[in-house]
Amino acid sequence: AQTVTQSQPEMSVQEAETVTLSCTYDTSENNYYLFWYKQPPSRQMILVIRQEAYKQQNATENRFSVNFQKAAKSFSLKISDSQLGDTAMYFCACPGSARQLTFGSGTQLTVLP
Amino acid sequence: NAGVMQNPRHLVRRRGQEARLRCSPMKGHSHVYWYRQLPEEGLKFMVYLQKENIIDESGMPKERFSAEFPKEGPSILRIQQVVRGDSAAYFCASSPDWNGETQYFGPGTRLLVL
Repeated sequence: AQTVTQSQPEMSVQEAETVTLSCTYDTSENNYYLFWYKQPPSRQMILVIRQEAYKQQNATENRFSVNFQKAAKSFSLKISDSQLGDTAMYFCACPGSARQLTFGSGTQLTVLP
Repeated sequence: NAGVMQNPRHLVRRRGQEARLRCSPMKGHSHVYWYRQLPEEGLKFMVYLQKENIIDESGMPKERFSAEFPKEGPSILRIQQVVRGDSAAYFCASSPDWNGETQYFGPGTRLLVL
């Protein structure tokens, strides 16, 4: 069974600063993707970034990047130049054998003006 | 290309009634997943369907819950004889295939059981 752990229930960051959200996971799959989703107050689930586990290069998407450490099963999200609109709950997710996603418990990020 | 559509967005039911939640996947997507989010919690997988087939229902409660994805029309999550503990947000996601492709989520249906 897959497990996903997000050890930071809440974090805050000043606007324009950089913040890193941590995530560790465990899976028995060999080829898999990892995902970060954000859930703003509207509660819509929005894909932020994904990482292919067989790629060593860390994924980047504009201000968002990941630090993927496969051996350590660590998958952290870095947000650069934080903006007020980044305020949201962030979920790390790992797929299982049938590709159903297992989500972490989430990190509530607040960007302060 | 329209995103994943869910309706209704909000649903209020009294205990004992039935709730029907609908999900239309993105165009070209044949895989549908249902998740439930209880208040202050993360999403929990319920069921994974392809057209006319249930692939994995390991996350579905054994009683009162059922899901289908017919050849024509949306996927339906059905909850019979709802109880207050069923109050939650129910999200549908779709993907173009099962090989690790990204799942795109709908806006969710907020079910409130009185």
